[in-house]
Amino acid sequence: EAGVAQSPRYKIIEKRQSVAFWCNPISGHATLYWYQQILGQGPKLLIQFQNNGVVDDSQLPKDRFSAERLKGVDSTLKIQPAKLEDSAVYLCASSSVRLRQFFGPGTRLTVL
Amino acid sequence: SQQGEEDPQALSIQEGENATMNCSYKTSINNLQWYRQNSGRGLVHLILIRSNEREKHSGRLRVTLDTSKKSSSLLITASRAADTASYFCATDNPGGGADGLTFGKGTHLIIQP
Repeated sequence: EAGVAQSPRYKIIEKRQSVAFWCNPISGHATLYWYQQILGQGPKLLIQFQNNGVVDDSQLPKDRFSAERLKGVDSTLKIQPAKLEDSAVYLCASSSVRLRQFFGPGTRLTVL
Repeated sequence: SQQGEEDPQALSIQEGENATMNCSYKTSINNLQWYRQNSGRGLVHLILIRSNEREKHSGRLRVTLDTSKKSSSLLITASRAADTASYFCATDNPGGGADGLTFGKGTHLIIQP
């Protein structure tokens, strides 16, 4: 079974630039999550989708972050404009069964 | 915000020894999970323990849960070099339909050959 795919794996941008991350969940998984993991900390949930609807985005900084999952499969997470403190690993996870999440390898973002 | 706090932050032991990591959390939970993260990789689910369970085993892993103390421990027996990784506890939010996890800061475990 193919795992959760994410791209790019690494991204370096200047502050105030825009960036987008892509996630392809495991086939058939209706639920998709985006987490932000700052160096030395555990992942923090940014947004949860159920199919193409948002279940929880309470911790998403909506002034600069946006996410969509238009067809209920792939998802993109965008940051515009980026700040230095956005440097982190962005993890995508998917699940078909409640509380059983499968994580992708993550995208490491460095904002200079 | 971080729900769980792992203790210790870092742990270095010899191969073959047992490793114990602890996690404390703040609010009520339905479930607590432990995940492993190898350097530069995604998280891998290890074990889930429900709030009505006190102990659970999976291979060389043993997890305990004390809901009265809001704490859990992960024991890895007969450690191997491949166990070198960061370990995180994660709790659910029993309040509603969302089931995104709240992670602690993690314990970085190093197994010395």
